[in-house]
Amino acid sequence: AQSVTQLGSHVSVSEGALVLLRCNYSSSVPPYLFWYVQYPNQGLQLLLKYTTGATLVKGINGFEAEFKKSETSFHLTKPSAHMSDAAEYFCAVNTGFQKLVFGTGTRLLVSP
Amino acid sequence: EADIYQTPRYLVIGTGKKITLECSQTMGHDKMYWYQQDPGMELHLIHYSYGVNSTEKGDLSSESTVSRIRTEHFPLTLESARPSHTSQYLCASSPSTGGTGGYTFGSGTRLTVV
Repeated sequence: AQSVTQLGSHVSVSEGALVLLRCNYSSSVPPYLFWYVQYPNQGLQLLLKYTTGATLVKGINGFEAEFKKSETSFHLTKPSAHMSDAAEYFCAVNTGFQKLVFGTGTRLLVSP
Repeated sequence: EADIYQTPRYLVIGTGKKITLECSQTMGHDKMYWYQQDPGMELHLIHYSYGVNSTEKGDLSSESTVSRIRTEHFPLTLESARPSHTSQYLCASSPSTGGTGGYTFGSGTRLTVV
């Protein structure tokens, strides 16, 4: 069975600081991995995804994530936080024809 | 521009009323999903469909029902709304391409039952 663990329900950073949101997955087969962002009263928007190939994946809004098989991780980073990055972030895993399995989410708070 | 549409965006309704939340997508996706999301953020899958005339219950038990008569349309119905149904409902769709495309989500319907 596949699963996702997001470490930290809340992460607080200052504007301009590094953003690091952690995601670890469990899968018996090579996974497809996704990060979604949700702004207040909105649906989820795809930030980036890893399927095959390059392990460092770049997404929208300056975010990127690195697939590390040895650590079963897919952490999301951004070098410099902006106030507009404040939102909920969800990591998700899929192993092919199964349904996406979502983590419990991490709320990113950005202070001026 | 959104390719998956949910209406209404917000709904306040009295206890005992029947309601239908609409979800339509223009991408020709075979698979569609309904999630319930409470203020604690976690997403709970309540229904999904792999195509026309296919509907399945999700991981979270729900008193709602769904139908899939057309590929593009996946409405969710509550026969008798209760305050415990107050939540945000998110619709999503995905193509049948082995899961590499991820899901496309609608903007959600925030339901309040008073």
